[in-house]
Amino acid sequence: GAVVSQHPSWVICKSGTSVKIECRSLDFQATTMFWYRQFPKQSLMLMATSNEGSKATYEQGVEKDKFLINHASLTLSTLTVTSAHPEDSSFYICSKLRTDTQYFGPGTRLTVL
Amino acid sequence: SQKIEQNSEALNIQEGKTATLTCNYTNYSPAYLQWYRQDPGRGPVFLLLIRENEKEKRKERLKVTFDTTLKQSLFHITASQPADSATYLCALTSGTYKYIFGTGTRLKVLA
Repeated sequence: GAVVSQHPSWVICKSGTSVKIECRSLDFQATTMFWYRQFPKQSLMLMATSNEGSKATYEQGVEKDKFLINHASLTLSTLTVTSAHPEDSSFYICSKLRTDTQYFGPGTRLTVL
Repeated sequence: SQKIEQNSEALNIQEGKTATLTCNYTNYSPAYLQWYRQDPGRGPVFLLLIRENEKEKRKERLKVTFDTTLKQSLFHITASQPADSATYLCALTSGTYKYIFGTGTRLKVLA
């Protein structure tokens, strides 16, 4: 397998504030990592692909100015939800690829009040 | 549009029986199909991968079949245990990094 960690595991914030979520690859360097969002009883939806040393690639319908992704090192990708609103409340999960398989982090539960 | 269907109804089975979960897809030609387990409030955990040219894959008590004609995969857990209770997701990819996930089927194994 492969090991991915996320921090924090949960966060509650006020509407209008920004929240940063960290995703770390603990066992090998990952030039590419992925960010997903999962609403209750729904499937995982890919938000963006994080590329080390270059800009992230966002999926259609995902606001790049709202969901800032930084992949500054080979083991760390961060997702910042800017000016969060209650509709951004969701479960955010990162992943990395190893031989055709995605390995996921434990997820971060974001609640925006 | 591409679509994956998993039985959204919860599946309750008795301990020791075989659980069978279904994943159907349309408008897609996957190169790989994968099954993941997801516990409440946790990220998915990889279980098995099966390629388009493979009919069946096994791992301990798990078995996956893949029928590209029927556009269906079946996921079996034999000798099920209460600890197998979780949501099981299927995911497809055409061979790129983009995966399409189903909504998952919640399995509950009754002691």
